[in-house]
Formats: sequence, structure tokens, C-alpha cells
Amino acid sequence: GQNIDQPTEMTATEGAIVQINCTYQTSGFNGLFWYQQHAGEAPTFLSYNVLDGLEEKGRFSSFLSRSKGYSYLLLKELQMKDSASYLCAVRDNNAGNMLTFGGGTRLMVKP
Amino acid sequence: GAVVSQHPSWVICKSGTSVKIECRSLDFQATTMFWYRQFPKQSLMLMATSNEGSKATYEQGVEKDKFLINHASLTLSTLTVTSAHPEDSSFYICSARGTANTYEQYFGPGTRLTVT
Repeated sequence: GQNIDQPTEMTATEGAIVQINCTYQTSGFNGLFWYQQHAGEAPTFLSYNVLDGLEEKGRFSSFLSRSKGYSYLLLKELQMKDSASYLCAVRDNNAGNMLTFGGGTRLMVKP
Repeated sequence: GAVVSQHPSWVICKSGTSVKIECRSLDFQATTMFWYRQFPKQSLMLMATSNEGSKATYEQGVEKDKFLINHASLTLSTLTVTSAHPEDSSFYICSARGTANTYEQYFGPGTRLTVT
């Protein structure tokens, strides 16, 4: 089975930087995804890491350490529209490359 | 990019009736489609995985006779909630994975089901 943990809620200030952590345990790790989900909408893809290191994409960056079973999503220059849930998902090649989602982190950006 | 649609986007039905939700991949062929359920303030929970032309694989605790899944073509999967009850009220989201690229799942916009 898999165990994916991320904080339930976080609050940050507009213009600041926030880091959302995700830890996981899986038998057949084959990639970690971050998704953004606004209330009442489907998740949208943010990033994908399969090798150790940092992937940067604009204001968003994602980091992976496979040995530690750890990832983080870094959001810079926060905007009010970044208020959303951020879902960490792990793909397991022992489960048909199926995605398993963490509980999600609800981020609230305040002025 | 790959687009996945769902229909309807929201539905209200009476307890005891059945509701069908469609998931379509619009510009790619999806060999595998996934159905998720999401309750308020919770994350996505996988209900079942369907491969085109074969029976769906249901996750533990999901009643296959209640949640009927059909994946008859490479662009369409349907989820039918039979004899719906208020506790089935949820946000149902499908995602599709294409034949050429198993890297990413593309999510549909979701269907909000309310059973009264």
C-alpha cells in the first residue's frame, strides 16, 4: 500500500513564498505529481518529478528526494488566485502506474 | 493539450433512481480511464480503473453492482450510480490516460451529484 502525508491547511500572505511538503511510502515509486484544485473544480496538473532534484516552472517549483520519500511544492510571489487545494499524488508501478492522492493541502492566501 | 469532458456537470436526482455520468477524451484515445469520488474538503479517492474493452477494476470498499462502469470505446467511459442514496452525493471526477503517453492523467471537470 501507499501512505502519502501532507499538511491539511496552510496560510500565507500575498507576495510571499510558501512551501508545501509531502512525504510518501510506496513499494514501486514511479513519479510524483502535484495538482492544484480550486473548490468545485477538477485538479489541474502542476508538476511531475521522477528523478531527484528541483523542477522549476515559473512561480512554481517542485522538489523530490526519493531516498527520503519526500517532495515539496514551492510557490513564489503568491497571488490571491493561488488560494486552492494542492494535491500530492504518487504513481506506483506495482499498481499499474495508478495515481494515489494525498489528502491535499488547503492554502489560503491573505492580502 | 489533452481534453477530457464530463457530462453532466451537475445533476440532482431522487433517492432510488439511477444516474449515468459520461467521461470522454476529446482529442486523444484513452486506453485507461479512472473514476474518482471526492467528498467536501477531502482528497480524491479512486473508485475504479477501467480499461477499454475489459471489466473495470474496483477499489476495496466500492460496490461494483452499485457503481457500474462501462468503457466501451477508446474515447468514452460511463459511470452509472444505481439506486442512488443521499450518501452517494459527491463530486465524481474521471481522468484518462492515453495510449501514447502514460506519463500523465488528464482530468475531466467533474460532476456534482446531489441525491435528495
